[in-house]
Amino acid sequence: DIQMTQSPSSLSASVGDRVTITCRASQSISSYLNWYQQKPGKAPKLLIYAASSLQSGVPSRFSGSGSGTDFTLTISSLQPEDFATYYCQQSYSTPSFTFGPGTKVDIK
Amino acid sequence: EVQLVESGGGLVQPGRSLRLSCAASGFTFDDYAMHWVRQAPGKGLEWVSGISWNSGSIGYADSVKGRFTISRDNAKNSLYLQMNSLRAEDTALYYCAKDTVATIWGLFDYWGQGTLVTVSS
Repeated sequence: DIQMTQSPSSLSASVGDRVTITCRASQSISSYLNWYQQKPGKAPKLLIYAASSLQSGVPSRFSGSGSGTDFTLTISSLQPEDFATYYCQQSYSTPSFTFGPGTKVDIK
Repeated sequence: EVQLVESGGGLVQPGRSLRLSCAASGFTFDDYAMHWVRQAPGKGLEWVSGISWNSGSIGYADSVKGRFTISRDNAKNSLYLQMNSLRAEDTALYYCAKDTVATIWGLFDYWGQGTLVTVSS
């Protein structure tokens, strides 16, 4: 099975900060990497798919990059509504999909 | 508007069974694969099972293989998860999620609000 790790597990940031979250796969997954945002008590929301494609309706301050085993999610200017937990997920190994453990972004 | 509404969760004793349902609307249900994803209290996301548009392709996580059965009824726009031999570690919020294509691709673009399953004596 492909294992996913994320760093950091949590971070504190201020509105307007640039935030970067890293995701690493235990083997190459090409660009089959997706990012989700989850707010407390809510279902996850798809942000980025295929490593760098922005899902429709998602603000352009979110961006993704990477391929192979190393990926990043960047929020260019953190907004109050961005405080949430972010998960990466690989869709390379079908039908055995795995999520990273999550990165919680909270207010400094 | 895409809507996914899960039901069927509740408190169940270890070893017993439960059947979850997901009612879909706002899209052509039989054009897409569907999945179940769960989240234990305070924990991360775990993919549980997926089914292609015509039920021709099905997959399970190792943690539920042999105990859970996914199915769908395209005439009723509904997805199901039959859960047998339940264990305490199956306690979680179970989400229904829509894939972006007809085959099991693993990209979840819409999610329900979840139904809570608690396995405890």
